[in-house]
Amino acid sequence: SQQGEEDPQALSIQEGENATMNCSYKTSINNLQWYRQNSGRGLVHLILIRSNEREKHSGRLRVTLDTSKKSSSLLITASRAADTASYFCATDPGANNLFFGTGTRLTVIP
Amino acid sequence: GAGVSQSPSNKVTEKGKDVELRCDPISGHTALYWYRQSLGQGLEFLIYFQGNSAPDKSGLPSDRFSAERTGGSVSTLTIQRTQQEDSAVYLCASSILLAFTDTQYFGPGTRLTVL
Repeated sequence: SQQGEEDPQALSIQEGENATMNCSYKTSINNLQWYRQNSGRGLVHLILIRSNEREKHSGRLRVTLDTSKKSSSLLITASRAADTASYFCATDPGANNLFFGTGTRLTVIP
Repeated sequence: GAGVSQSPSNKVTEKGKDVELRCDPISGHTALYWYRQSLGQGLEFLIYFQGNSAPDKSGLPSDRFSAERTGGSVSTLTIQRTQQEDSAVYLCASSILLAFTDTQYFGPGTRLTVL
């Protein structure tokens, strides 16, 4: 499968703590994207990191990419209850489609 | 601003019936994508459109699935003779160009339940 695999599958933290989610993939990629899905809602794009980038920041989000290890991590700092959602990584191998992993379910406890 | 919309939001049907799912992409987006998400699974890519053309239909699960797009805008995903394993959330996304430096914008999905 070309799908990314996230770990952990589920993560529960206290509000204010940092949350780290990891994604591994199998094929070479053009870019890797992270999405959030709130229960019952559509996907929301969070951040895109290109294959020639190693780190990217957006607000409280920090994404790293290690193409040699075919892995990426998403760090959410100072988590809030509103961050509770499922987080997916999606890889673009250059075939004009995205391959999604199974997601990490993040619960932030107020 | 208007995002991607999908209808219906929920559809319950009996096994063997046909269903049609609709996607209205963001105006001006030339690329449109269909995915499905089964319970506990990741997103599964189904098909994409560049304009009205779908160059690659290999992601469709079976020949009961078909999709079309007219006028470079609205797309419909049709499932004939539905089976219980078709139950899933069907997501549509659009992007400005068919280039994956572009972000895909997703709709809220259609939850299909086949009894």
